[in-house]
Amino acid sequence: TQLLEQSPQFLSIQEGENLTVYCNSSSVFSSLQWYRQEPGEGPVLLVTVVTGGEVKKLKRLTFQFGDARKDSSLHITAAQPGDTGLYLCAVTFTGNQFYFGTGTSLTVIP
Amino acid sequence: DTGVSQDPRHKITKRGQNVTFRCDPISEHNRLYWYRQTLGQGPEFLTYFQNEAQLEKSRLLSDRFSAERPKGSFSTLEIQRTEQGDSAMYLCASSYPNSGYTFGSGTRLTVV
Repeated sequence: TQLLEQSPQFLSIQEGENLTVYCNSSSVFSSLQWYRQEPGEGPVLLVTVVTGGEVKKLKRLTFQFGDARKDSSLHITAAQPGDTGLYLCAVTFTGNQFYFGTGTSLTVIP
Repeated sequence: DTGVSQDPRHKITKRGQNVTFRCDPISEHNRLYWYRQTLGQGPEFLTYFQNEAQLEKSRLLSDRFSAERPKGSFSTLEIQRTEQGDSAMYLCASSYPNSGYTFGSGTRLTVV
């Protein structure tokens, strides 16, 4: 059983469209992070959320942590080809190490 | 500081051989992590160090795997008697406690 479920697993959209991807679990976490990974490279940290209900914005990306700190969403407005990549959520219980989901593979078609 | 460096980027080895990977973290970071990632999966935690102390190891880390971080600087991950199932991307990351990771570009291992 996966600790984190990310959905959808794959997503292919046209440039300019909006999209939302999800990270869900039945467990409560002390904090959650979102990363983006490009092929052949390590993941790059996008954001950390720690407070239930917290919303953070990073340009066209909006991140939300669920009120109960069990889930999170990532919304991208007006997607661009440069947004293409694997989006990973990662959680920690203790702050010592993070556990990753299986990711959402996003392709933005020009 | 140029970030987290991993060497080599790619390694092809025959089954049964030993391999060693190196990670040079960001110098100010006292925590160093090793993860393994296979195609279509997220990174799986293997082990982490705080300074030179190895504080936790995953059950995924069999007896054939060993990691060291002498003097709390660079780290090495050794795999003995490699198996085809060891083929994966091995990622190193460093951080301050309770902060986000900075990952290296990884070492892609192929066991033939």
